[in-house]
Amino acid sequence: QKEVEQNSGPLSVPEGAIASLNCTYSDRGSQSFFWYRQYSGKSPELIMSIYSNGDKEDGRFTAQLNKASQYVSLLIRDSQPSDSATYLCALKGPSASKIIFGSGTRLSIRP
Amino acid sequence: DAGVTQSPTHLIKTRGQQVTLRCSPKSGHDTVSWYQQALGQGPQFIFQYYEEEERQRGNFPDRFSGHQFPNYSSELNVNALLLGDSALYLCASSLGPPRVWTGELFFGEGSRLTVL
Repeated sequence: QKEVEQNSGPLSVPEGAIASLNCTYSDRGSQSFFWYRQYSGKSPELIMSIYSNGDKEDGRFTAQLNKASQYVSLLIRDSQPSDSATYLCALKGPSASKIIFGSGTRLSIRP
Repeated sequence: DAGVTQSPTHLIKTRGQQVTLRCSPKSGHDTVSWYQQALGQGPQFIFQYYEEEERQRGNFPDRFSGHQFPNYSSELNVNALLLGDSALYLCASSLGPPRVWTGELFFGEGSRLTVL
């Protein structure tokens, strides 16, 4: 079982709609969770971090964490063509100093 | 505020050769992590350097080695290159000792290595 699992997509969402990206993880001891956005040919950019159960909102982005279900999600409201990218779910374990990434979900916003 | 810088941006090597990649962390950051990203995959952790020591290592062979200098910059060395080493090599910087680090990473633009 992979440590971080994501649907590779592509996920196609119409402009203006809500895009929902999901991620599951295997290590129950994981404490810190992140969403990175990576445009084609570019490096990953941190867009959200979440450390406790519940929702965290930042502009059009909302991260959701459910540690009991080992599930992290990212919602993008009012999707724009500029949101088209690969979204990487990542986590940091309780004792490890490394960040583990999922394989990413490709998101395409269609006009 | 200077971000993370990496060099070279692109390079081509042949099997069996050796390569050195360089990274300067974001201003004020003292920790450097290296990742390998194959096409269509997420970044895979290679190792992390803090206080000039390797603090943690991923599942990579000893052909992959690194170094951190007193000014916090870092090098990644790969010996005896294989075709499978072709990838984007990403350097990421962060602040603080790994045991209290929040986990946020700031990436450079990467070095794309092609092995022929």
